[in-house]
Amino acid sequence: GNSVTQMEGPVTLSEEAFLTINCTYTATGYPSLFWYVQYPGEGLQLLLKATKADDKGSNKGFEATYRKETTSFHLEKGSVQVSDSAVYFCALRRGQGGSEKLVFGKGMKLTVNP
Amino acid sequence: DVKVTQSSRYLVKRTGEKVFLECVQDMDHENMFWYRQDPGLGLRLIYFSYDVKMKEKGDIPEGYSVSREKKERFSLILESASTNQTSMYLCASSPPGGYNQPQHFGDGTRLSIL
Repeated sequence: GNSVTQMEGPVTLSEEAFLTINCTYTATGYPSLFWYVQYPGEGLQLLLKATKADDKGSNKGFEATYRKETTSFHLEKGSVQVSDSAVYFCALRRGQGGSEKLVFGKGMKLTVNP
Repeated sequence: DVKVTQSSRYLVKRTGEKVFLECVQDMDHENMFWYRQDPGLGLRLIYFSYDVKMKEKGDIPEGYSVSREKKERFSLILESASTNQTSMYLCASSPPGGYNQPQHFGDGTRLSIL
């Protein structure tokens, strides 16, 4: 079946540090891949997405590249800020003709200290 | 912007009560979803609906039911609340057939069952 495995943390970084959150997936066909972010006390927001191999999603300084050969979609940011403190979820959705459902990883809590 | 509104941010109920959680979306989306979020377990799908009066069980439907009488509204019902249903509940919606379309989330309802 479809599944997502991601770093669970929690992780604490200092401001301006480099961030990588690993995400690997198992899926049939060609899934679409997403990163969601959940700020304290809020619901999930879409951070970025990629729908085919070698696509790079980017938003707010975050990037992730869809790597079919390694079935990965790692999230990176070159210089984190205190405002990036949140929980990050990797997710996949099966490709065209597949289920409408998203499959989520367990989430990783990031704290950024000044 | 898509707006998904959950009727309550915080709710406290007693064991054995029938509990209704309401969700409304304003973008005419066919698909709507209910998740619960627990520490260490991530998001787990309870039920989803792909059309009015249509529903499908997710991964953890036991103890829950849903109602979708109008396209914009999706209700989650706890038939007889128990303490193990204390959790954060998240509603989401998405357009149909768009495998590369993200789900849009509400801010969540934090439910405590005493």
